[in-house]
Amino acid sequence: DAGVIQSPRHEVTEMGQEVTLRCKPISGHNSLFWYRQTMMRGLELLIYFNNNVPIDDSGMPEDRFSAKMPNASFSTLKIQPSEPRDSAVYFCASSLVEDQPQHFGDGTRLSIL
Amino acid sequence: QKEVEQDPGPLSVPEGAIVSLNCTYSNSAFQYFMWYRQYSRKGPELLMYTYSSGNKEDGRFTAQVDKSSKYISLFIRDSQPSDSATYLCAMSARGGSNYKLTFGKGTLLTVNP
Repeated sequence: DAGVIQSPRHEVTEMGQEVTLRCKPISGHNSLFWYRQTMMRGLELLIYFNNNVPIDDSGMPEDRFSAKMPNASFSTLKIQPSEPRDSAVYFCASSLVEDQPQHFGDGTRLSIL
Repeated sequence: QKEVEQDPGPLSVPEGAIVSLNCTYSNSAFQYFMWYRQYSRKGPELLMYTYSSGNKEDGRFTAQVDKSSKYISLFIRDSQPSDSATYLCAMSARGGSNYKLTFGKGTLLTVNP
């Protein structure tokens, strides 16, 4: 079975540019999560979707961050404008339903210069 | 006090050793406990998932939860070089926010051949 698929795997861009990260959850999973991982703060939940609807975006750091889930098989996380402090690894995870174990993709390693 | 504390290591052991990894937590509402394994430049991979107190065994891995002490452990028997990775504990509460995982920062384990 295909796991959670994220693209791109690596992104290097200059400060001020728009960045779009993409995620395809596991087929049949109704819950989707975006996380950010840094050395200082570890893994932090940014936003949670259930059945394509954003349920909890309290972890989104600023208005520069936005996320969408137009259908059950695709989600995006956008940063506009990007800043060097946004540099991190961004993970997407999905689960069958919200209280079931979450399965992670391999992440997007983002560097903002 | 952080909600979840995990010794970052690094922990280095010889092949065949028994490894003990631990986390402590402060939130008594946590009911679901997980261990994830994360290889370098990969996403976290679910190893063990337990509910409430007790032990759970899966092959060489045993997870223990002691809710009275707010302490969870992962034991790895007959450790192998392929077990070299970062191990993350994660936990969540029961109820409305049961999707919200709180992670430890991870323990880096190296198993030397």
